Amino acid sequence: DAGITQSPRYKITETGRQVTLMCHQTWSHSYMFWYRQDLGHGLRLIYYSAAADITDKGEVPDGYVVSRSKTENFPLTLESATRSQTSVYFCASSESGYNWLKGDEQYFGPGTRLTVT
Amino acid sequence: GNSVTQMEGPVTLSEEAFLTINCTYTATGYPSLFWYVQYPGEGLQLLLKATKADDKGSNKGFEATYRKETTSFHLEKGSVQVSDSAVYFCSTGTASKLTFGTGTRLQVTL
Repeated sequence: DAGITQSPRYKITETGRQVTLMCHQTWSHSYMFWYRQDLGHGLRLIYYSAAADITDKGEVPDGYVVSRSKTENFPLTLESATRSQTSVYFCASSESGYNWLKGDEQYFGPGTRLTVT
Repeated sequence: GNSVTQMEGPVTLSEEAFLTINCTYTATGYPSLFWYVQYPGEGLQLLLKATKADDKGSNKGFEATYRKETTSFHLEKGSVQVSDSAVYFCSTGTASKLTFGTGTRLQVTL
């Protein structure tokens, strides 16, 4: 399917377990992003990547790890899940960069709802 | 830092009613402004945007005007439809940061 996909769409895991959320885009966009969406907080940036093998921290990176060995994939790993990481996670991509002053658009995946028990 | 304040939801309207969702922001300099929409079960998608003061963004009957003097970017639609039921996010964009508001849920009933 063309576009940006995330898997799984729903995940329940236990405290302390490692879990990886997958993100795949077919546009060859250079920039990719991970957000979490929590009630009362809107969307908060976890990590972003400007290209394969280039990643950087966002607003709330603690407890998360990312990698980007291929342009089209940007997995997010929770190394030891905690209840505070229960959230909806969105992956996004951007064609032309990270300069929102130009009005660049982000394209979002459908999200993964993660519950940590 | 940047911040975005949106009116609390949910907003419940009858079909064909007039919609306003308020959004105000604080930011250094002159950011770009966006409205994103999230339909049930989907990711966010760009609804409209404005990149400089007094610009009006419009799409699908929705409009918003960049008001620098009041630091606002209120979303309006003259006649809402049931299919407009969604969560609407206002956001500001600077050179390196995109800041989202908490979202406003709109429910349109027949």
